[in-house]
Amino acid sequence: DVKVTQSSRYLVKRTGEKVFLECVQDMDHENMFWYRQDPGLGLRLIYFSYDVKMKEKGDIPEGYSVSREKKERFSLILESASTNQTSMYLCASSFKPSGNTEAFFGQGTRLTVV
Amino acid sequence: KQEVTQIPAALSVPEGENLVLNCSFTDSAIYNLQWFRQDPGKGLTSLLLIQSSQREQTSGRLNASLDKSSGRSTLYIAASQPGDSATYLCAAPPPNDYKLSFGAGTTVTVRA
Repeated sequence: DVKVTQSSRYLVKRTGEKVFLECVQDMDHENMFWYRQDPGLGLRLIYFSYDVKMKEKGDIPEGYSVSREKKERFSLILESASTNQTSMYLCASSFKPSGNTEAFFGQGTRLTVV
Repeated sequence: KQEVTQIPAALSVPEGENLVLNCSFTDSAIYNLQWFRQDPGKGLTSLLLIQSSQREQTSGRLNASLDKSSGRSTLYIAASQPGDSATYLCAAPPPNDYKLSFGAGTTVTVRA
């Protein structure tokens, strides 16, 4: 069974804290993604990585950074958490288009910033 | 930029009725189109992937069709059950890209 695992289901952090969200996939996928999902706004792409140490900004990268030191792991970093970053965060992975490009998602992390 | 639209936003049907969910996209040069299911507070579960060369894909009670020329995909769920209650999302990447553009989803309620 394919697996994308996010380190936490629920997180509560204080304003100004540095927050790390971790995602691990076991499918040897090249592509990894971080999305956030908010009511009425749908899923919005924060960052995308197509290879180790490679990253691209998505639609809403402000206030976030990412790290991909190993192929299987993609971390989302909130440099200084703010209340407007309270959201559901979803990690996904997929192969590049030369193969099967089906995307698989983790279970999500519900982050609350107080 | 690929724009994906799902209509209706919500749907309520009695158990046993067939479900028809619609997805439209603006740029027909897609690699594939994927349908997902999301339960409240959970992540997305992949249901079906239709490659650009395919017209339809089936899995159990689910059947998805793809008409690239008209920029439309339809997900059919036969003989709906209360367990089918969830939000269904479709997604497609823009041409020459890997990043998925999502529709806002259709929230389905199947009444027992």
